[in-house]
Amino acid sequence: GAGVSQSPSNKVTEKGKDVELRCDPISGHTALYWYRQSLGQGLEFLIYFQGNSAPDKSGLPSDRFSAERTGGSVSTLTIQRTQQEDSAVYLCASSLTPQGGEQYFGPGTRLTVT
Amino acid sequence: GNSVTQMEGPVTLSEEAFLTINCTYTATGYPSLFWYVQYPGEGLQLLLKATKADDKGSNKGFEATYRKETTSFHLEKGSVQVSDSAVYFCALINNAGNMLTFGGGTRLMVKP
Repeated sequence: GAGVSQSPSNKVTEKGKDVELRCDPISGHTALYWYRQSLGQGLEFLIYFQGNSAPDKSGLPSDRFSAERTGGSVSTLTIQRTQQEDSAVYLCASSLTPQGGEQYFGPGTRLTVT
Repeated sequence: GNSVTQMEGPVTLSEEAFLTINCTYTATGYPSLFWYVQYPGEGLQLLLKATKADDKGSNKGFEATYRKETTSFHLEKGSVQVSDSAVYFCALINNAGNMLTFGGGTRLMVKP
């Protein structure tokens, strides 16, 4: 079956612009996760959704970052007023349930802020 | 909080050599442990996992044993191939299952 998909695969934006990154999880997976992979910070957890609610937003690095999930499926990560330090690969993952921990990752969106 | 420490790379080996990538962790409770692999140009893939002490995860000739007494989950393979060249990440998940904590990654390069 189809895996986790993300779009766009690459995004170049100017500093100060807003960007939206999209994630389509595996059908039927109730849990959805966003991570960020950057050279200096490795793989960092950003936010987690169970259904449409986000009980854990602890990893969002600033209030410029927000995420939503609708219909228990697609999720959008929005970064407002992008900064150069936001440049990274943004990874989305989904799992059937939160417990058990087997998360399946998408290919990522490479964000470059110029 | 939770943390994962793995040996820094790159690790360079000749084909058919024995591989060990060390991983140790700090966590409260009883986490599940994972190894993920990222091949060049591809996304993260789950390689193997172990959910409780003394469990051994194995896949594609790789294996790792959950050692609670040493808080370790070292990755091993008896004979590496060029196609194993990738970045390997050790990770754990907390009891609530809502986030993976990753180590820094170890790049493996296998030369023919």
